[in-house]
Amino acid sequence: NIVLTQSPATLSVTPGESVSLSCRASQSISTSIHWYQQKSNESPRLLIKYASQSISGIPSRFSGSGSGTDFTLSINRVESEDFSIYYCQQSYSSLYTFGAGTKLELK
Amino acid sequence: EVQLQESGPGLVKPSQSLSLTCSVTGYSITSNYWGWIRKFPGNKMEWMGYISYSGSTSYNPSLKSRISITRDTSKNQFFLQLNSVTTEDTATYYCARGYGGYSDLFAYWGQGTLVTVSS
Repeated sequence: NIVLTQSPATLSVTPGESVSLSCRASQSISTSIHWYQQKSNESPRLLIKYASQSISGIPSRFSGSGSGTDFTLSINRVESEDFSIYYCQQSYSSLYTFGAGTKLELK
Repeated sequence: EVQLQESGPGLVKPSQSLSLTCSVTGYSITSNYWGWIRKFPGNKMEWMGYISYSGSTSYNPSLKSRISITRDTSKNQFFLQLNSVTTEDTATYYCARGYGGYSDLFAYWGQGTLVTVSS
C-alpha cells in the first residue's frame, strides 16, 4: 500500500497568513495526488486534482504543487472559512489511499 | 446538479451485515463511477470501492472478502453491503461520484451516514 504522510498534524494560523501543507508518499506516485477540504459536519470537497490542477469553483488562493513523493497544498492569505481539515489522496495505485489529514486551526 | 444521499441503519450488531443505499439525483448512475469511502473516529479515511457506469466493480483488497457494491439503475441507486462487521467498522460512510470520467478522485459526495457497530 502507498502510505501518505501529512504534516503538520495541526497548523495554527491567523487569518491573512499564507500556509503550506505537506503530503509525502512512501514511493513515487508521479502527480497522482488530490487534495480535499473537510469542514466540521460537512462532506469533503475536492480542491486540487493531479497535484496542481485547479477545480472549477474553488477559490484561487488554493494551489498545489509537487511530483514524485513530495506534494504541497498552499493557501494564500488564509480566510476564516478555511479552518478545517485537509486530506491528500493518491490514485497512483489501484488501491486509493488517504493521508491522515492536517487540521488548520485558528491561532 | 448532482446530489447523493446515503441511507440505512445507524446501528448494526457485530457479525451482522451492514447495508447502505446511495440515492442519486441530477445524474444517471449509468455514467461515471460511483464509490464508497468511510471515515473512522479519529479522522482516518478509507476508500472502500466503486461501481462503474457499466456495472463493473473494484474493491479495496483489505475488504474484498466482505464487501459488495451493486446498483439498481431503474431507481438510480447504488448499494454497499459489508458482511461480518466488527466494532472496527464503526465509521461515517460516504457515497461519492468520480470526477469527470475518472474513478480515482471524488467530485461529489453525500452528506455521510454514521454507522455504529455495537451489541
